[in-house]
Order: sequence, then structure tokens, then C-alpha cells
Amino acid sequence: DIVLTQSPGTLSLSPGERATISCRASQSVGTRFLAWYQQKPGQAPRLLIYSAFSRATGIPDRFSGSGSGTDFTLTISRLEPEDFAVYYCQQYGSSLPWTFGQGTKVEIK
Amino acid sequence: QVQLQESGPGLVKPSETLSLNCSVSGGSMSNHYWNWIRQSPGKGLEWIGYVFSSGTTHYNPSFESRVTISIDTSKNQFSLRLTSVTAADAAVYFCARAALQPDARWFDPWGQGTVVTVSS
Repeated sequence: DIVLTQSPGTLSLSPGERATISCRASQSVGTRFLAWYQQKPGQAPRLLIYSAFSRATGIPDRFSGSGSGTDFTLTISRLEPEDFAVYYCQQYGSSLPWTFGQGTKVEIK
Repeated sequence: QVQLQESGPGLVKPSETLSLNCSVSGGSMSNHYWNWIRQSPGKGLEWIGYVFSSGTTHYNPSFESRVTISIDTSKNQFSLRLTSVTAADAAVYFCARAALQPDARWFDPWGQGTVVTVSS
């Protein structure tokens, strides 16, 4: 299985600050077979980013993704109050099973 | 806009079988992968497996001996059966869609999730 390791586990920031979340894969997931999701309490994960850097429909441009191979990053340029949540990366390459990172909680400082 | 909705018993006894359905509305089930994913405090998000619209399945080896995922396109639904459950199977179970193209198999949309408790 491809293990995805996210860091940090928790990010304590203030509204308006920049958030950077890392997702490292135990082996290459291909150039861009990586997605990012946001999850709020009591809700299902919501797709934010697919193909490593493409924003899903309706996702604000303060969210951006980058990386390839084994190292990927999700950046939130300026945190809005509604952005405080848990973020997950997920690989959907040809190597099954598809797997998720353990999550990064972005909390209000 | 495609929407998914899970349904099924919220309480299952140890050693029994967990059965859930996912109803799909607002679109065709054709040419997509239909997935079950679960989330527990101990294991985080785990992909359980998928059924393709043709009926082809693929399961996470962690569940392979206990899981069956099936599809009924005439009813616009697909199902999960997990046998011999234990307390470790208590989780929120989600259904989600993935596209046909190999470079497009992210999960979107998701159902809202259903909580399953395992207890006698």
C-alpha cells in the first residue's frame, strides 16, 4: 500500500494567515494522481483539489495545490473563518488500494 | 447534480453482517466507479472497495475476505456487505463516486455518511 504522511498534524493559525500542508507518499503516485479534501465536523469530505493542482468546481482561488511524484502541498493563501477544518490528501493512482493521509487539522490560534 | 445517500441499520451485533445501501440520484450510474469508504477514530479514512457500473469489483485487501459490493443500476443503487463484524468495524460509512478515466478517479461526490455501531 502507498502510505501518505501529512504534516503537520495540527496547524494553529489566525484568520488571514497562510496555511501550508504537506503530503508525502511512500512511493510515487504518478505525476498528479493526488486529491485534497476538506472535512468539517459531522460532514463528509469535500473535494478541493484534484490532479494535484486543479481546483474543484466552486473552490475559491485561495486554495492551491502543487507537487508531483511523492511530495505534494496544499496551500491556503489567506485563511477565512470557514477554512478551519481537517484536510486530507488521497492518492488514486494505478496502485490499489487507494489511500488517504491521516489528516491535518487547521485550528484557530 | 448527482447526489448519494447511504441507508441501513445503525447498529450491528458482533459477528453479524453489516449491510448498507447507497442510493444515487440526479444522474446515471454508467461508466463510473462506485465506492465505499469508512472513517473511524483509530484508522482514519479507509477505502473499502468499488463496484464499476458493469458489476466488476475491486476490494481493499484489508477487507477482501469479508466484503461484497454489488450494484443494481435498475434501482440506481449499490450496496455493501461486511461479514463477521467486530468493534473495529464501528465507523462512519460513506459512499462516493469516482470517474472512469484512470487519471480522474478522485472521490466526488460523497454521501453524507451513516454511523454504524457494533454492539450486542
